[in-house]
Amino acid sequence: DAKTTQPNSMESNEEEPVHLPCNHSTISGTDYIHWYRQLPSQGPEYVIHGLTSNVNNRMASLAIAEDRKSSTLILHRATLRDAAVYYCILLNGGSNYKLTFGKGTLLTVNP
Amino acid sequence: DGGITQSPKYLFRKEGQNVTLSCEQNLNHDAMYWYRQDPGQGLRLIYYSQIVNDFQKGDIAEGYSVSREKKESFPLTVTSAQKNPTAFYLCASSRDRGGRYTFGSGTRLTVV
Repeated sequence: DAKTTQPNSMESNEEEPVHLPCNHSTISGTDYIHWYRQLPSQGPEYVIHGLTSNVNNRMASLAIAEDRKSSTLILHRATLRDAAVYYCILLNGGSNYKLTFGKGTLLTVNP
Repeated sequence: DGGITQSPKYLFRKEGQNVTLSCEQNLNHDAMYWYRQDPGQGLRLIYYSQIVNDFQKGDIAEGYSVSREKKESFPLTVTSAQKNPTAFYLCASSRDRGGRYTFGSGTRLTVV
């Protein structure tokens, strides 16, 4: 499975934008880029996913580099409820369904 | 609303006993998964099933067993052969390849 690299932790202030980076230099052509977030003692929550083009939804935006070797999750205005561990995961849509989790980025949001 | 229900939320068992964790979904998803999470760690895949009556081992299947007799249900049995069963267990489902996963709220198992 292709691997992703994320910073262990990041900090932001409330109501400011947050850019969470993810490197995936060994990504294959059929790998989708997924982002999930997890609050303590809860199951992960889907945030966004994409293949090649940038994606937007009500929660966030996903910016994918042209060579697909990196991506950035953008939270446009961070709130205290956005404090969580954010996981960037590659999902091979061609061969299987498995999500493989790394350790993610712990986002702290300061009031 | 559609979703995944895991029960119970907390479970205590004595060492040496088998225990079964329940996972039910009403999303009409074909694929279902079981993950284990230890404190401060990411999720690790135990078993997954892409279709009824079929399932595959994940990365840490030893000491666990599953069944998939119905599309909606994917119970996980933690057997006495599992050396360190105390953990947070998460069930998930997905509709198709590449698509979003939906997770349950988890079962915290403590073996004493």
